[in-house]
Amino acid sequence: DIQMTQSPSSLSASVGDRVTITCRASQSIRNYLNWYQQKPGKAPKLLISGAANLQSGVPSRFSGSGSGTDFTLTISTLQPDDFATYHCQQSYSIPFFGPGTKVDIK
Amino acid sequence: EVQVVESGGGLIQPGGSLRISCAASGFTVSDNHMSWVRQAPGKGLECVSVIYNSGRPYYVDSVKGRFTISRDNSKNTVYLQMNSLRAEDTAVYYCARVRGADYHYAMDVWGQGTTVTVSS
Repeated sequence: DIQMTQSPSSLSASVGDRVTITCRASQSIRNYLNWYQQKPGKAPKLLISGAANLQSGVPSRFSGSGSGTDFTLTISTLQPDDFATYHCQQSYSIPFFGPGTKVDIK
Repeated sequence: EVQVVESGGGLIQPGGSLRISCAASGFTVSDNHMSWVRQAPGKGLECVSVIYNSGRPYYVDSVKGRFTISRDNSKNTVYLQMNSLRAEDTAVYYCARVRGADYHYAMDVWGQGTTVTVSS
């Protein structure tokens, strides 16, 4: 099975900050990497598919990059609505999620 | 509107059985891959089962032999039959549509979740 790790597990940031979250796969997954945002008590929401494809309706301050084993999710200018947990997920083989990164208010 | 709605969760004793449902609207489940993803309290997301558009199922090792995924095309609904339930199966269970290769198999439509609590 392909395992996923994320770093950091949590971070504190302020509105307006640039935030970067890293996701690493245990073997190459090409660009089969998706990012989700989840708020407390809510279902996950797909933000980015295929490592870099922003979903319709997702603000352009979100971006994704990477291929192979190393990927990043960047929020260019953190907004109040962005405080949430972010999950990466590999879809190269059996779907497997990373442990999540919680972004909270500094 | 494209959406899925889960139902059927509840409190069940260890060793018991429960069937949860996922009713889809705005798209056809048999044309898509459909998944069940669970989230235990305070934990991350785990994909426990997928039914591919071919009908082939996938199960995570921890539920193999206990859970069965199926679909009723006439009702446009996906089910997860859960037997021999354990305390560690306690979680919110989400139904999600899995897009195809052109969309890198991302899960793009999610329900609100149904809570399964296994406890005596």
